[in-house]
Parts: sequence; C-alpha cells; structure tokens
Amino acid sequence: KAGVTQTPRYLIKTRGQQVTLSCSPISGHRSVSWYQQTPGQGLQFLFEYFSETQRNKGNFPGRFSGRQFSNSRSEMNVSTLELGDSALYLCASSSTRRTYEQYFGPGTRLTVT
Amino acid sequence: QQQVKQSPQSLIVQKGGISIINCAYENTAFDYFPWYQQFPGKGPALLIAIRPDVSEKKEGRFTISFNKSAKQFSLHIMDSQPGDSATYFCAASMSNTDKLIFGTGTRLQVFP
Repeated sequence: KAGVTQTPRYLIKTRGQQVTLSCSPISGHRSVSWYQQTPGQGLQFLFEYFSETQRNKGNFPGRFSGRQFSNSRSEMNVSTLELGDSALYLCASSSTRRTYEQYFGPGTRLTVT
Repeated sequence: QQQVKQSPQSLIVQKGGISIINCAYENTAFDYFPWYQQFPGKGPALLIAIRPDVSEKKEGRFTISFNKSAKQFSLHIMDSQPGDSATYFCAASMSNTDKLIFGTGTRLQVFP
C-alpha cells in the first residue's frame, strides 16, 4: 500500500506570495492532519480534517488555511508569505479519527526568500 | 499544560548500549503516547505507542515504559545500532482529536 504522498517536495517562494501544498493520504484513510516543523519551534499542529470537515485547528494565524476533498486528499494554503513561514510542512493520515496510528508523508520543504 | 517535555536534547551511545529518552506531561487528559523516529530529509515514522492503561510495551529492541502517577514515559532502545541514529520525538494526544503534541526531539547518535 502506498504511503502518504506530498507535493511538491520542495518550493521556493518570495515574501508576500501565496502557496498551496497538497497531500494524498494512504488509500482508505479518511483523516488528515498537517504539521509545521522548524528548528526553533519543533513540530506544531496546524489542522485536522475528517470527512471534509476541519475538526481542530492549531494556534496559527488566519493566513494558514486548509481543506479536504471528498476523496480525502487535502490541501493547505498559506497566503502573504513571511520569512518565518520557511519550514517543513508535514501531512499525516489515519484510517479514521481516534485510531491513534498516524502516518506521516515526507513533507514539503518551503523556503521563503 | 499542553506541553510535552522531552530530554535529553542529544544522546551519544556506543553500539550495543541502551539508549533512554524521557518525556513528561502535565495534562491528564492525554490518553495516547506514541514515539516517532525521523531521519534527515524524511517525515516522522511511527515507532511504537502506548495507552495509559499499560505500564510497558515492547516491540523488538524498542520498549516504552509508562508511569501514570508520575506523568512520565520513556523510550528504551536496547542493543543500539548505528542505523538507529536519528531524531526521536515523543508525543501525546487526547481522546477527542487526532492532534499530536510533540516533544522537542532527541538526536541520537550511535557510534560503532
């Protein structure tokens, strides 16, 4: 079974631009969560989606948004990029909510210049 | 109260030795405690996990010890190998969400 896939793997953007990252969960998984990983702040939760509904949101500004489609694929968007948004963005999927086992993709490395 | 504190920040162990990483939490609502292993350039990989109704769980060379009263849990890697060199994260979550609260990570280096 294929793992979680994220596209693109690497991205370079300029301050003020916006970016959309994509995540395809493991086949059959309906729950998708997003995390931001930086050397300074570590791994921080962004959002959780289940059946196209955002179930939980982390402590990030409104510039960070996301959505989930009917096929469970998910996208996250960051508008008006800031230098501090440079990070590894990770997506994780699980089969249903509260199955506990979450599997991460390889991440998208975003660099904002 | 949402934090998970992890120590040490880095760990150097000789091949064949035991690696021990510790985590502590405050929120008693946490009911799931996984450990993730991350290699450079990769996403975290689920290693082993425990629920608070169990005091110990072992999978191969990896063991989680859980002390509910002390609100602490630890990862023991027996017979550590150079291939275990990676960053390890403990995490916790509550029953009403998939949201994981991660520790700050421990960089493990195993020397031959």
